Amino acid sequence: GDSVTQMEGPVTLSEEAFLTINCTYTATGYPSLFWYVQYPGEGLQLLLKATKADDKGSNKGFEATYRKETTSFHLEKGSVQVSDSAVYFCALSPPYNFNKFYFGSGTKLNVKP
Amino acid sequence: SQTIHQWPATLVQPVGSPLSLECTVEGTSNPNLYWYRQAAGRGLQLLFYSVGIGQISSEVPQNLSASRPQDRQFILSSKKLLLSDSGFYLCAAIAGGRYNEQFFGPGTRLTVL
Repeated sequence: GDSVTQMEGPVTLSEEAFLTINCTYTATGYPSLFWYVQYPGEGLQLLLKATKADDKGSNKGFEATYRKETTSFHLEKGSVQVSDSAVYFCALSPPYNFNKFYFGSGTKLNVKP
Repeated sequence: SQTIHQWPATLVQPVGSPLSLECTVEGTSNPNLYWYRQAAGRGLQLLFYSVGIGQISSEVPQNLSASRPQDRQFILSSKKLLLSDSGFYLCAAIAGGRYNEQFFGPGTRLTVL
């Protein structure tokens, strides 16, 4: 079935370091792919999305490229800030049912000043 | 803009007691609505989703149920809580006509003792 696998955390970085959080997926066809961010004690916020192969989603300095050949959607940011500390979730929505969403287990990011 | 309200924000209940969590959506009509559970340190598990009033799809067999009595109201219930029902419950919605843009409420922290 459809699923998402994320790298396990926590990931600890110093401020201004480069960030990569790996995400791979298993799905039939061409799913839509998403990254969500969850700050402590809050719900999830959509960070970025991509709906077809080779699309690049971007927002607030974060980027992720939909790679069909490697079934990946890795999240990157060139220079992280302390305020980026949160849990990041990769997710997919399958093309056969846009009502369904499958989430990865989440990766906690800690950014130290 | 769309907003989701959830209440209560936190809840402590004894095993075997009933449960009712409420979710209401503002700023959109005819949304798709979702209930997720997030166990400690884990990802999101889709419990129920609804594409219209009275229409409920259950994703995971369990002792929980959901109802949608009004277009923008979604209720999660249980007749008898189990210890394993503890977790963070998130309501989410997709605004009418805007598939793939799921937004989340602030969540309810449920502790079953």
